Amino acid sequence: GEDVEQSLFLSVREGDSSVINCTYTDSSSTYLYWYKQEPGAGLQLLTYIFSNMDMKQDQRLTVLLNKKDKHLSLRIADTQTGDSAIYFCAERVGNQFYFGTGTSLTVIP
Amino acid sequence: DVKVTQSSRYLVKRTGEKVFLECVQDMDHENMFWYRQDPGLGLRLIYFSYDVKMKEKGDIPEGYSVSREKKERFSLILESASTNQTSMYLCASRYQGQGADQPQHFGDGTRLSIL
Repeated sequence: GEDVEQSLFLSVREGDSSVINCTYTDSSSTYLYWYKQEPGAGLQLLTYIFSNMDMKQDQRLTVLLNKKDKHLSLRIADTQTGDSAIYFCAERVGNQFYFGTGTSLTVIP
Repeated sequence: DVKVTQSSRYLVKRTGEKVFLECVQDMDHENMFWYRQDPGLGLRLIYFSYDVKMKEKGDIPEGYSVSREKKERFSLILESASTNQTSMYLCASRYQGQGADQPQHFGDGTRLSIL
């Protein structure tokens, strides 16, 4: 499979912004996704971005895509304790999906 | 809303047993997937199915098989369970449409322990 890499852990204080980063290797990816996984649950789609876009904003979430550097980021504004979860980035190449290792976000009250 | 249902949230089996994990989706999706999730390794694709009676190996198919006799159901089979198959198993489905993107939708996962 393709390499999709993320940092394993991130801690932020409640009210601060969180930035979760992801790098991928396949330049032919068509869509890139962010999923959230709460403890004991499956993955919930948060947002996605088409590969010809640079940015997508959806309420507190901002996705930035640097296609040249194959770098994707998810910014969560005004992070809340309910945002504590594991966040996965994923890329779609054709009909295949490749997931990162997940970043465990801890929000400190 | 898309509903992907995995038959068990928790399952405990013994080494050497044949284990069936079931996944059902209610949205007439063509594509279905089985992943396993392990700490520090993310999601790894075991098998996927483009449509009924079709299956393709993913990255880690050894020790597993699958069955897709009906469109809504995708079963993962551990032929002879081993302790290294203790993991969280996630099922996903998606509509294989043209044009607009169709993401994967996930079930809640089955946490399988092999003793």
